Amino acid sequence: DTGVSQNPRHKITKRGQNVTFRCDPISEHNRLYWYRQTLGQGPEFLTYFQNEAQLEKSRLLSDRFSAERPKGSFSTLEIQRTEQGDSAMYLCASSQWLAEAFFGQGTRLTVV
Amino acid sequence: DAKTTQPPSMDCAEGRAANLPCNHSTISGNEYVYWYRQIHSQGPQYIIHGLKNNETNEMASLIITEDRKSSTLILPHATLRDTALYYCIDTPDFGNEKLTFGTGTRLTIIP
Repeated sequence: DTGVSQNPRHKITKRGQNVTFRCDPISEHNRLYWYRQTLGQGPEFLTYFQNEAQLEKSRLLSDRFSAERPKGSFSTLEIQRTEQGDSAMYLCASSQWLAEAFFGQGTRLTVV
Repeated sequence: DAKTTQPPSMDCAEGRAANLPCNHSTISGNEYVYWYRQIHSQGPQYIIHGLKNNETNEMASLIITEDRKSSTLILPHATLRDTALYYCIDTPDFGNEKLTFGTGTRLTIIP
């Protein structure tokens, strides 16, 4: 499968714990995006990388959130001191050109 | 915030053409219209995009009005697998490339 891969698919964590998600984009894609989706809403942009450079961060990305793409390939999204409001689907997408952004299946986070 | 307006839901009979409208009255000259869809529990899937000319690919056709203030996505022969949430998005194809999703149109294909 050469699509965007996200791991884990599901994560349940206790409030206050740290979690880390991984995204493996399509190999030749230099752009990588993170989105968050809550129930009944469309995906909301969080942050965007071009190669290893993080070019934009949404105001939704509080200080507890950090994303990296150290070698311009896979990316990680870490949430520190999770809160119940962090419960959502976290989606990763990659593209060469915006026109065709390919999304992964997402990581569903539940904070209890 | 999303700059497009879509009806919240639509039904279409299986085998018929599904026509999904979208208003983007504030679209600027360099902004494209994109359509994505999201099937339950999956990530969004790109369908088609256009600037001002009508476009067609293996999935759908996109009809953009001459003033570019609205468009229609056409699924020519809808199947049950086309039941999904459809998003219409306008965004530039350069520079700031994030997608701003609205709440979309929930299309239900009726057998």
